[in-house]
Amino acid sequence: GAGVSQSPSNKVTEKGKDVELRCDPISGHTALYWYRQSLGQGLEFLIYFQGNSAPDKSGLPSDRFSAERTGGSVSTLTIQRTQQEDSAVYLCASSLRRVETQYFGPGTRLLVL
Amino acid sequence: AQKVTQAQTEISVVEKEDVTLDCVYETRDTTYYLFWYKQPPSGELVFLIRRNSFDEQNEISGRYSWNFQKSTSSFNFTITASQVVDSAVYFCALPPSGAGSYQLTFGKGTKLSVIP
Repeated sequence: GAGVSQSPSNKVTEKGKDVELRCDPISGHTALYWYRQSLGQGLEFLIYFQGNSAPDKSGLPSDRFSAERTGGSVSTLTIQRTQQEDSAVYLCASSLRRVETQYFGPGTRLLVL
Repeated sequence: AQKVTQAQTEISVVEKEDVTLDCVYETRDTTYYLFWYKQPPSGELVFLIRRNSFDEQNEISGRYSWNFQKSTSSFNFTITASQVVDSAVYFCALPPSGAGSYQLTFGKGTKLSVIP
């Protein structure tokens, strides 16, 4: 079956603009995760969805970041008023349940100029 | 709190050499999974293996093998007869643990360079 897909693959934007990153999880996976990986750094957890709800948004780095998941499937991560420090690869993952194997998408490479 | 330590930051080997990537973990859970992921230069995190703490048998998949030792809290990964395509960053990880925990706990990764 299809894996996790993310769009766009690459995004270049100007400082101050808003961006939307999309994640389409594996069909049937109820758990969805967003991570961020800055250049040469480890993975930073951002947010988790169980179904449509996000039990904990404390991992989001600032109030410029928001995320939603509609219909228990597709998720959108929105970054408002982008800053240069937001430049990173944003990775989405999904799993059957919280402790099951997380499968990752190819990521969105965001560059804020 | 959970912790995964990958002490080797970078390793370089010549093609066809064997290489072992170390992973040491800490968890308060009595049963748990352990994972290895590969991140090639393209950036995608590729799932390699999930191991249940119940099962301490070594696992072999082609040129890859994993040695899980619960007594030393280690889950090491060996690549036999390395190839250039094995060049990547490899991450060891623990799953979420306890209420309010959702993310994988990753080690910092080991960057493997296989030189032709």
